[in-house]
Order: sequence, then structure tokens, then C-alpha cells
Amino acid sequence: DQQVKQNSPSLSVQEGRISILNCDYTNSMFDYFLWYKKYPAEGPTFLISISSIKDKNEDGRFTVFLNKSAKHLSLHIVPSQPGDSAVYFCAASATGAQKLVFGQGTRLTINP
Amino acid sequence: DSGVTQTPKHLITATGQRVTLRCSPRSGDLSVYWYQQSLDQGLQFLIHYYNGEERAKGNILERFSAQQFPDLHSELNLSSLELGDSALYFCASSLGRRNSPLHFGNGTRLTVT
Repeated sequence: DQQVKQNSPSLSVQEGRISILNCDYTNSMFDYFLWYKKYPAEGPTFLISISSIKDKNEDGRFTVFLNKSAKHLSLHIVPSQPGDSAVYFCAASATGAQKLVFGQGTRLTINP
Repeated sequence: DSGVTQTPKHLITATGQRVTLRCSPRSGDLSVYWYQQSLDQGLQFLIHYYNGEERAKGNILERFSAQQFPDLHSELNLSSLELGDSALYFCASSLGRRNSPLHFGNGTRLTVT
């Protein structure tokens, strides 16, 4: 049972434009959401998070939006840079749970 | 550099064998997590330890076991290995507080032949 889904395996965006990565979840107990970025041969790196009491969190070029009614979150990167090319994982956790549940990842490619 | 160290980076072994993967968490982190990533799949949670005690188990096979030692490093033991166990195994650590981000090591790539 895939509780966190990233339905786009890949996304290609032109440098300077906005990248939008999407994530859907099914477990209504999830109340904390994170995005991780992964380069080849490295472990995932924490990027940004959002609590369910908020609907938006911003950190520099990265903004995460949460739509609880739709059980959907998205990561916006503006402007996109070549160094943003990586695999992005969405993850979620529930209060009292001792683990993060990850999506399958979306490979983002920024084209010059 | 996340501060989480995993050894070895690569491991090639035969079916039926046993291997041990090692993880040293970031300084100050009490929680250690193990995740498995197979063939461009998402990260599957295996097990979580906090300050030496097992806190949660995920999709971990009975052939797999783990422990966290008093110095907080952790080992993941995989036995009676099968071809399907070939994967990237990631260790992550955190402070252990609610909503503390996980910091991942660079993983151990296990190949079972």
C-alpha cells in the first residue's frame, strides 16, 4: 500500500523557469511533510518541511504548499538552476509514528 | 557532508551469505533509522533505534536484524542472502525529537550474486 505517491517519475524544466513537483498521500494521520533531494551516489538531503497546521512554507527559492483537503503537497522551485537537477523525494510522518514514509521520487532535470 | 558515516560503500557477496552494514550517526543524534532502496524505488523503512532501544519496525525480513550499541553506532545484519536483497541500504540519524529531520548517510550498495 503506497501511502505517499509521486506520480511523475521525471520532470524536465528549462533553467530560470519554475519547477513544480507533486506528491499525494492517502493516510489522514500524516501531519508532517518533508522534501528530500538526492544526487547520484549520495544519500538524500533534507530540503524543506511543513507541518499540517500550515499551508505554505518558504525557504529561499523553495516553497512547499500543503492542501490537506486534497491530501496533496507540492514543491515549487523558482528560479530553477542546473544544480537543482536531482531526484526529489516527498516524505510524511504521523504523530507518534517513528518513521518517515517516502514516495518513489521524481527525477528533475534542469535544461540550460 | 551529512555527518552520517556508512561502511562499506559497496559490498558484493553470494546468495546464502551473511553481511553486516555499519552506521555511525551524526554527533549528538540519538536516533538511527535503516532504509532500503531497490531499483529506483522509494525508500522502504526497515527499523528505528533510539538510544540503544528498538522503537519501530517496518518491512524488515526475519533474516535481517539490527542493533544500536552504547556508543550509538548501529549495525544491520543481513543473513541467508537472496538475489532480491540487492539494494541500496541507507542509514539516517536524527536528534530523536518530534519532527527532527533525518540526516542520511551515502548508503551501502549491496549486490548479491
